[in-house]
Amino acid sequence: EPEVTQTPSHQVTQMGQEVILRCVPISNHLYFYWYRQILGQKVEFLVSFYNNEISEKSEIFDDQFSVERPDGSNFTLKIRSTKLEDSAMYFCASSVGTDTQYFGPGTRLTVL
Amino acid sequence: QKEVEQNSGPLSVPEGAIASLNCTYSDRVSQSFFWYRQYSGKSPELIMSIYSNGDKEDGRFTAQLNKASQYVSLLIRDSQPSDSATYLCAVNPGSAGGTSYGKLTFGQGTILTVHP
Repeated sequence: EPEVTQTPSHQVTQMGQEVILRCVPISNHLYFYWYRQILGQKVEFLVSFYNNEISEKSEIFDDQFSVERPDGSNFTLKIRSTKLEDSAMYFCASSVGTDTQYFGPGTRLTVL
Repeated sequence: QKEVEQNSGPLSVPEGAIASLNCTYSDRVSQSFFWYRQYSGKSPELIMSIYSNGDKEDGRFTAQLNKASQYVSLLIRDSQPSDSATYLCAVNPGSAGGTSYGKLTFGQGTILTVHP
């Protein structure tokens, strides 16, 4: 069964450093998303991406964040200058339409 | 602020019993409703989706939707210890213009424990 994959599973970085989180969505899906979950808190929407552009973003997704689909398979989330409060699980999800979303296993980001 | 509220629990039921999980949402234009299961340290796993008022059954799971009351629930029949997890209610709010880009708003989750 096709699934969303994410790398790395755990990323440790120093405050102020740039990180890139990678996702490979399910191959026939057209809509891609990033969510995050701070430990013990809700899953929060960050951004949705369709047709090579951002279709919606939350107030969390400020200028420090960017997304890209550099080729036909990868979908990346870049955080330019990480802060302590960026420490969280980051989930990539994908869907055929704007409907049922399937989540990847997540990347645990730890900012020291 | 569009909110999704769940009883945080924890909810504890004996093996074989029915577990009932509830969720309310604030945005009346919401169109799509989902239940996800999340084991500790893992990602959300889709259990069910529901779009129309009434019940939808899938194996041991039944989702119920009442748009007038802005209420969605999940029943788990014959609960098993492997059902012990956090259950997340998620809502696609839609938008005033009728265009939805799929953003999901999640509740805080209900922790379910099924004890033997």
